[in-house]
Amino acid sequence: DAGVIQSPRHEVTEMGQEVTLRCKPISGHNSLFWYRQTMMRGLELLIYFNNNVPIDDSGMPEDRFSAKMPNASFSTLKIQPSEPRDSAVYFCASSFPDQPQHFGDGTRLSIL
Amino acid sequence: QKEVEQNSGPLSVPEGAIASLNCTYSDRGSQSFFWYRQYSGKSPELIMSIYSNGDKEDGRFTAQLNKASQYVSLLIRDSQPSDSATYLCAVNKGGANSKLTFGKGITLSVRP
Repeated sequence: DAGVIQSPRHEVTEMGQEVTLRCKPISGHNSLFWYRQTMMRGLELLIYFNNNVPIDDSGMPEDRFSAKMPNASFSTLKIQPSEPRDSAVYFCASSFPDQPQHFGDGTRLSIL
Repeated sequence: QKEVEQNSGPLSVPEGAIASLNCTYSDRGSQSFFWYRQYSGKSPELIMSIYSNGDKEDGRFTAQLNKASQYVSLLIRDSQPSDSATYLCAVNKGGANSKLTFGKGITLSVRP
């Protein structure tokens, strides 16, 4: 079975550029989560969707961050404009409601 | 008080010993509890879930839950060097739009 698929695996870009991270959840899962992980702050939930609807975006750090889920099999997390402090590993996870989450391999983002 | 707290590490044990990882949580209404293992540079991987008070065993792993004390732990028996990783405790309040809250993790090192 295919797991959660994230792309790209690595992204290096200059400050001020737009960054788009992509996620394909496990087929059938109707909850999708975006996390950011850093050494200092650990694993932080940014936003999550149930049935393609954003439920809680209180973890989104600033208006520079936005996320969409246009259909059940695809979600994006966009940062515009990007800043060096956005450098982190970004994980997407999916699950059935109230069930354990399964994580993608993550996107390692470096903003120069 | 942090929502999910794990005792500070790192934790180092000799091969063959029992490693004990502890986690406390603040919300008494929490329903589901999970342990994830994360190898360096990899994504979190679910290793144990527990939903009711008591012990749950799976191979060398035992999860223990005490809701009255708001405490969940993970015991790893006969620790192996391959168990060296960061272990994340995660707690779910339950309900239709629930989300996981993660602790910051504890790094375990098993010495050969």
